[in-house]
Amino acid sequence: SYELTQPPSVSVSPGQTASITCSGDKLGDKYACWYQQKPGQSPVLVIYQDNKRPSGIPERFSGSNSGNTATLTISGTQAMDEADYYCQAWDSSRGVFGGGTKLTVL
Amino acid sequence: EVQLLESGGGLVQPGGSLRLSCAASGFTFSTYAMTWVRQAPGKGLEWVSAISGSGGSTYYADSVKGRFTISRDNSKNTLYLQMNSLRAEDTAVYYCAKPTVPTTADAFDIWGQGTMVTVSS
Repeated sequence: SYELTQPPSVSVSPGQTASITCSGDKLGDKYACWYQQKPGQSPVLVIYQDNKRPSGIPERFSGSNSGNTATLTISGTQAMDEADYYCQAWDSSRGVFGGGTKLTVL
Repeated sequence: EVQLLESGGGLVQPGGSLRLSCAASGFTFSTYAMTWVRQAPGKGLEWVSAISGSGGSTYYADSVKGRFTISRDNSKNTLYLQMNSLRAEDTAVYYCAKPTVPTTADAFDIWGQGTMVTVSS
């Protein structure tokens, strides 16, 4: 079965750039999306179709996808961005989520 | 306003059954494929099942295939998940989710608040 791999944790200082990767076989041939989830809340879509931002998502969130890796980049990271982030793609009509990355802003 | 509201969760014994519902509003429900996603306590998101807008096509994760059945009633704008032969590892918050466009394979822009299912004796 298809798998997506994320680093368990990423740390960033306020105002700096955070990058979270998501790896999967030929992931660049699929669309990747990213969700942000804060404790006790439902996930929120922050990037879809590799690099599109839904309405209401700040411009500091961006995405890319090529080869075997999709990347979520948060520029000028703020304390409010501290959360779990999940990548997701589709394979054979079935959804696949990465294991999630805890972003710490310190 | 687009909304999804899950219900039906609770405590059930191993081997038991439960039916979850997801009431949709604010969009043309029948044109959208819908999905169930779950999250075990302290764990990540797991895709569970999806159904096409007409209900004619259904898809399942290997972990629930043969035990769970997804369905929908477009006249009631409601999505269902019938869960049978429940196991301890099915304990999770169950979310229903709507894709950004009316196809199965797209990102989920709307999520419900989730309903907790606990499988324990």
